[in-house]
Amino acid sequence: GAVVSQHPSRVICKSGTSVKIECRSLDFQATTMFWYRQFPKKSLMLMATSNEGSKATYEQGVEKDKFLINHASLTLSTLTVTSAHPEDSSFYICSAHTGGVAYEQYFGPGTRLTVT
Amino acid sequence: AQSVTQLGSHVSVSEGALVLLRCNYSSSVPPYLFWYVQYPNQGLQLLLKYTTGATLVKGINGFEAEFKKSETSFHLTKPSAHMSDAAEYFCAVTGNNRLAFGKGNQVVVIP
Repeated sequence: GAVVSQHPSRVICKSGTSVKIECRSLDFQATTMFWYRQFPKKSLMLMATSNEGSKATYEQGVEKDKFLINHASLTLSTLTVTSAHPEDSSFYICSAHTGGVAYEQYFGPGTRLTVT
Repeated sequence: AQSVTQLGSHVSVSEGALVLLRCNYSSSVPPYLFWYVQYPNQGLQLLLKYTTGATLVKGINGFEAEFKKSETSFHLTKPSAHMSDAAEYFCAVTGNNRLAFGKGNQVVVIP
């Protein structure tokens, strides 16, 4: 149980284009999902908290107009990187909260974004 | 705010030897603690967690961790390292409805 999927696993896009990453909870409903960014050999940086049916909460320093987050259902959240630039190249990971009191999260397999 | 400290970004261990990864936490409330493992180009997989009750928790792949309140620690151990244990390991604590991660330990297993 508690499986989270991400699609695509890898994407290459040209500078100036937008790319959408999907995060799905496959066997549970997730009222809250999280989006992280991970730089090489670094820990995870929380970008935003995504709540179903409401606006995402962005961490300080994360551009909400650049990283659009939508959590339209209890099993799907999307991250759209708009007008991507090479510095947006990174590993993006989503996670979902199962609702337990410990607030444990289950993670997707990640998406490798390369902007050329 | 809750936080965790993991010292030693790289940890080398011989195959068959003890694996010990240290994690110390800071929390103003009783903590919920986690260890996650990340293999290259993959997401994070939950190894084990401590919420309440027994302070020695057993996880997957032969790992275990002990919660010590007096030492504010949650160290991860495995008696005998396997080559497949080579990965990045993250300690995390719940705080403010989110997880606070340590910087991680890159474990290298030497044949």
